[in-house]
Amino acid sequence: GENVEQHPSTLSVQEGDSAVIKCTYSDSASNYFPWYKQELGKRPQLIIDIRSNVGEKKDQRIAVTLNKTAKHFSLHITETQPEDSAVYFCAAYTGRRALTFGSGTRLQVQP
Amino acid sequence: DGGITQSPKYLFRKEGQNVTLSCEQNLNHDAMYWYRQDPGQGLRLIYYSQIVNDFQKGDIAEGYSVSREKKESFPLTVTSAQKNPTAFYLCASRGQGAEKLFFGSGTQLSVL
Repeated sequence: GENVEQHPSTLSVQEGDSAVIKCTYSDSASNYFPWYKQELGKRPQLIIDIRSNVGEKKDQRIAVTLNKTAKHFSLHITETQPEDSAVYFCAAYTGRRALTFGSGTRLQVQP
Repeated sequence: DGGITQSPKYLFRKEGQNVTLSCEQNLNHDAMYWYRQDPGQGLRLIYYSQIVNDFQKGDIAEGYSVSREKKESFPLTVTSAQKNPTAFYLCASRGQGAEKLFFGSGTQLSVL
């Protein structure tokens, strides 16, 4: 089945800096790659997603890039703010079964 | 957000006891899922159901059971066979042909 690896597990940045989280996937049939933000004790919230026919997608301070050949995708957050502090999960989906999630990255933005 | 309702928010299980977590959705979604989340870890798939009266095991189904008698409902039972049930349980649903997953607010299960 699909396997998704995510790194780093923790990331600390200064307010205003950029943050990058990387994921790799194993199943070349995966064609949908969402990113979720989760605050403590809350449900994951979808922040951005990308499909395999697109190489990059941007939404204000958040962007995702996808390299299908290398089977990896990344989340980029620019001009980080303290409210960006949370756990971020990547996921991959083949269209069968269910989303497979990475292990999460705890992002801390220092004021 | 109000489309998927999980209850209760907190649940305590005594040793040897079965407990059932409720998940109801009013989004008319065909597919429903149960994930388990342990502290500092990702979401692991327990069971999923793509249509009524059918469900499949996920990666960590041992010690759990589900039913899907109605489209709106997908309850999860944590049986006494699950020796380490303490975790945050998330229910999710997805519309037919769609990719976006909608999550419930979760149930925190702890052992007394």
